[in-house]
Amino acid sequence: DQQVKQNSPSLSVQEGRISILNCDYTNSMFDYFLWYKKYPAEGPTFLISISSIKDKNEDGRFTVFLNKSAKHLSLHIVPSQPGDSAVYFCAAHPNTGNQFYFGTGTSLTVIP
Amino acid sequence: ETGVTQSPTHLIKTRGQQVTLRCSSQSGHNTVSWYQQALGQGPQFIFQYYREEENGRGNFPPRFSGLQFPNYSSELNVNALELDDSALYLCASSPRGGRAGSGELFFGEGSRLTVL
Repeated sequence: DQQVKQNSPSLSVQEGRISILNCDYTNSMFDYFLWYKKYPAEGPTFLISISSIKDKNEDGRFTVFLNKSAKHLSLHIVPSQPGDSAVYFCAAHPNTGNQFYFGTGTSLTVIP
Repeated sequence: ETGVTQSPTHLIKTRGQQVTLRCSSQSGHNTVSWYQQALGQGPQFIFQYYREEENGRGNFPPRFSGLQFPNYSSELNVNALELDDSALYLCASSPRGGRAGSGELFFGEGSRLTVL
């Protein structure tokens, strides 16, 4: 049962344009959400997070939006750079327990 | 500051064998979690260790077991290997158990296990 879903396996964007990566979840107990970036042969690295008490969090070129009623979050990268090419995982954590639930990832390619 | 390190990076085993994977947590982190990432999938939670005790477990059978040592390093042991155990095994450390602090995980590069 996949509780966190990333329905787009891949995305290609021109350098300088906006990249929008989407994530949907089913569990209403999730109250903390994160995005991780993964390069080949490396472990995932933390990118940005958002608590359910917020609907937006911004860090430089990266902004995460949370729509609790739709159980949907998105990551915006603007402007996109070739170095942003990686696999992006959405993750969620419930208000109890110690488990993070990950999506299947979206492979972003930024074309120079 | 030393990051999370895992060993070995790659290994090949045959069905029925046993494997031990090792992880050194990031300096200052006392909590270690293990995740399994099968090909084309996201990481799946196996278990977490905090202060040498199992502190949460995902939907994995008992043949997946672990240890945490006083220096907070950890081992993942898998007995009676099956073909479906072929995956990237990721170790992640965090400053405190559960949701404390920023809640983010710091991952190692992973150990890629192939079961033939």
